Order: sequence, then C-alpha cells, then structure tokens
Amino acid sequence: GQNIDQPTEMTATEGAIVQINCTYQTSGFNGLFWYQQHAGEAPTFLSYNVLDGLEEKGRFSSFLSRSKGYSYLLLKELQMKDSASYLCAVGDSNYQLIWGAGTKLIIKP
Amino acid sequence: IAGITQAPTSQILAAGRRMTLRCTQDMRHNAMYWYRQDLGLGLRLIHYSNTAGTTGKGEVPDGYSVSRANTDDFPLTLASAVPSQTSVYFCASSGGTDSGELFFGEGSRLTVL
Repeated sequence: GQNIDQPTEMTATEGAIVQINCTYQTSGFNGLFWYQQHAGEAPTFLSYNVLDGLEEKGRFSSFLSRSKGYSYLLLKELQMKDSASYLCAVGDSNYQLIWGAGTKLIIKP
Repeated sequence: IAGITQAPTSQILAAGRRMTLRCTQDMRHNAMYWYRQDLGLGLRLIHYSNTAGTTGKGEVPDGYSVSRANTDDFPLTLASAVPSQTSVYFCASSGGTDSGELFFGEGSRLTVL
C-alpha cells in the first residue's frame, strides 16, 4: 500500500529551528510537496522537490532523498505565525497526490 | 482576485438529503479536485477532473458525484447524505506551474445529522 508518515505534533520555541520529517512508500514517485495549513484555513503551497538535495526558500528549506524515501522541512528563525500544520504529499505513478496526516507545529514564546 | 471560490462555507443537513457543494475557479486551470479532510487523516481525493468534460474517481468516491461542464466550475454532489460524510471539503485546481502545485479553496464544512 501507499503510506506517508510524519509526526503528529511538534513543539518549538520562537526564534529556534525545527525539522519536520516525512517518510513515504508510494507506487512511483512524481515529486514531493510541502504545504502549510493554519487552523481553519486552506492548505497553501510551500515547496516542491523532485530531485535529491536541498531546496531553500527564505526561512524554509526542504530536503529530499529518493533512495531513502525521506524528506524534511526545515524552518529557521521561527515566528509565532509559523504555528500551523505542515502537510507532506507525494505524487504517485498516476500523478495523484498521496497525503500525510500532517504535523501540527506549536510555537512557544 | 478570487482564485477558487467554494460555497457554502458551512452547512448542516439531515441525513438522506441531497447536497451540492459548489466550486468555481478563475485561473483557467485545466485540472480540478475535490478532497475531504478528517481529523487524524491526510487529505483524501474524492473525484478529479483533468480537463473540462472529463472526470475520474479518487480514493473515496462512493456516495459522491461530480461534473465538469466547463473549465471554471466543478460541483460536488452528495445524492443522499450520511453522517460519515461529515467532513471539511476542499476544492483545488492545478495548472500553469512546473510543479503542478495545488491551489485550494477555503473549504466547506459539512455536518450531516
């Protein structure tokens, strides 16, 4: 079967760095996405990785290792507004997205 | 600049009733999707449409139907609602970007009693 695993909840301190991991087992691979979803709102796109390595975009970076079926999202200089759920999703062989349940990130002052 | 508009935002309805969730996009995206989001689960694809005039079944299509008469509109119909269809429903579209990223509507919270 297809499976995306990510931690249910993480807590971090304002100004710190946090890494959210995602492991996946899918039939085929057509890219890995990270989305941010604030409570009661729609998911919004953060990053896309299709090749191995690190993609940096401001305070957020995303890493992919296809051989290990592994990705992480790195958030630096955490701000209170970063409190949200972070969703990992993988494109399968049919280009349909398989979604993880999301990681709820709590930022404390 | 609307992007994707969903209606209604929230709805309570009795089991057995018919309900249509509306979704309209103004980005001229070819692909559109309906997902449901339940606590503790990832987004699950209900139905999708790769282009106007075509639709396909996702992971959880039973009890739902869709149509795609034109590029902009992609309504989702529950023919006879059941309590297990209580959920938050998101419409999304994709197109025009290399990654194929999804753009989501604000969601429709549906409660079936």
